Amino acid sequence: QSVLTQPPSASGTPGQRVTISCSGTRSNIGSNTVNWYQQLPGTAPKLLIYTNNQRPSGVPDRFSGSKSGTSASLAISGLQSEDEADYYCAAWDDSLKEVFGGGTKLTVL
Amino acid sequence: QVQLQESGPGLVKPSETLSLTCTVSGGSIRSYYWNWIRQPPGKGLEWIGYTYYTGSTNYNPSLKSRVTMSVATSKNQFSLKLSSVTAADTAVYYCARTERLATGFDYWGQGTLVTVSS
Repeated sequence: QSVLTQPPSASGTPGQRVTISCSGTRSNIGSNTVNWYQQLPGTAPKLLIYTNNQRPSGVPDRFSGSKSGTSASLAISGLQSEDEADYYCAAWDDSLKEVFGGGTKLTVL
Repeated sequence: QVQLQESGPGLVKPSETLSLTCTVSGGSIRSYYWNWIRQPPGKGLEWIGYTYYTGSTNYNPSLKSRVTMSVATSKNQFSLKLSSVTAADTAVYYCARTERLATGFDYWGQGTLVTVSS
């Protein structure tokens, strides 16, 4: 049972815009920033968005993040086949630990 | 380019201690937090804890009684020990770096599968 709640799956067609939600509580998302990771099959997770809405160097601007209250969202516009992956949200919790969402499997139809 | 590489036994017997080392290359181990994160087969990510380059540590409360982390700055390495393992500890173990708490793990190792079995 993950501390942050994500939908287990999402899907879209090439070129479409998809969003993935992440719900937490006052002690994690409500108090701290949210980070997002992309995990391609068989590989280590990769930092996609940090501090709610910042993109590391090299991450396309098709990926964007937002946060409001105790929830956050990852949006992917202009969906491409290579975006098919698992996506995880994460946040620091005031109980002094990092917590993750259960992950969302994105399928590009 | 910073690179992290996990090393250690891929098979550990139940009740024994899992030991892994992460070697950092292409950058200094100083001024960063060094984390261990695991992922059971087919499941999500679980943060195990971190060690700061000074040696201070912070562990996930759910694992705290069994976890020990340490850092060897002269070798650019940090380590994880997890005692009294069971089959539930079978997972891919990743080491990862963060510059400041809550700002994201920006570099990851490739991960190493550790299986707990007799």
